[in-house]
Formats: sequence, C-alpha cells, structure tokens
Amino acid sequence: EIVLAQSPATLSLSPGDRATLSCRASQSVDTYLAWYQQKPGQAPRLLIYDVSNRPTGVPARFSGSGSGTDFTLTISRLEPEDFAVYYCQQRYIWFSFGGGTKVEIK
Amino acid sequence: QLVESGGGVVQPGKSLRLSCAASGFIFDDFAMHWVRQGPGKGLEWVSSISWNSDAETIGYADSVKGRFTISRDNAKNSLFLQMKSLTVEDTALYYCAKDITGGAVGYGAFDLWGQGTLVTVSS
Repeated sequence: EIVLAQSPATLSLSPGDRATLSCRASQSVDTYLAWYQQKPGQAPRLLIYDVSNRPTGVPARFSGSGSGTDFTLTISRLEPEDFAVYYCQQRYIWFSFGGGTKVEIK
Repeated sequence: QLVESGGGVVQPGKSLRLSCAASGFIFDDFAMHWVRQGPGKGLEWVSSISWNSDAETIGYADSVKGRFTISRDNAKNSLFLQMKSLTVEDTALYYCAKDITGGAVGYGAFDLWGQGTLVTVSS
C-alpha cells in the first residue's frame, strides 16, 4: 500500500497569501497524483490530476508540481472560498489518499 | 450527477447494499469508484470497477476485501456496493465517484462525486 503524507496538517493564512501544500509518497507514484478540495458538508472536488492538469472550471490560481515521491499544490493568492481541506491521491497502485491539509483563515 | 442511496443504521455483522444512480453522462463509458469518509476523518478509497466490469480490473481496499462487492448495471446507469459482515469501523459517509478517464484506458482521477449516503454500524 502506498502511503501519502501531507504537510502541514494545518496552514493558517490570510486572503491574498500564497499557500504551499506538500504531499510525500512512501514510494514513487510517477505522475499519477491528484489533488482534491473539500469544504464542510460538501463532497470533494477534483482540483488537479496527473500532477499539474486542471479540469475545466478550476481557477488558474491552483497549480500542481512534482514527480516521483514529492508533490506540491500551490494556491497563488488565496480567495475566501479557498479555505478548506485539501487531499492528495495517488493512482499508481490502486488508490490511496493523504490525511489532508486544512487551510484556515489566520 | 450522482445520487447515492441505501445507507442507514445497521447492527454489526449485518449486510447493506448501497446504490448510486448516474445521470448527465454516458455511464457505460466510465469506470466508477466508492470512497468513504468516517466521522471527522479523511477520505478512504473503498473500491473501483471498470466500465465493463472486467474482473481483473475490480479492486478493493484491504480493509473491505472479502466483505464488500462492487458491481454495476450499465443498462440502468447504476453502481452498487454490497457490504456484509459490517463492523463499527465501516461507519462512514459513502461517496460514489466517476472516473475522469473514458473508455478502456485504465483508471484516472475522480472528477464527479455524489453527496454521499451515511452508513452507521451500531448495536
């Protein structure tokens, strides 16, 4: 089983700040890494797939990078609606999710 | 959209069958998945099934293997999860999700999610 470790667990930032979230895999997942956003009481939403691809409708302020075992989700300038929990997910060997990073208002 | 149903309160050791009704896309073009989220916890992948239910492409998390069975009825645009020998650890909100990748090209990310159906295992 591939374990994904996300850091930090909580990120306290202000609107307009840059957010950098990390996801580290226990073994290489090549480029098979996705990011999801989840707000309270809502289903997760796909933000990024295959490291750096944005589905239609996802704002350009969300970007992803990395390969192998180390990956980053960057939110260039936080909007009020971006405060949420973010999960990474690998699909290299079946699927697994990281434990999540909560981006909260400072 | 995806609409889950079938959740409820069930005693440990009992069974439950979840359903997911799909609309708005060509259901039999896409793989489908189940993901669960325990109370106050993160996301946990449960099971996946390819567009044509090929047995070699069906997968389960170790935590449910041998107890849960995923299936689909493409004629009815429906996905199912048969759960047996339920334990308190299976208590969660169960989401069905659509794969982003169409056709026979393997699995991708999950680009459409339902709102979930709650399963509570309690005596």
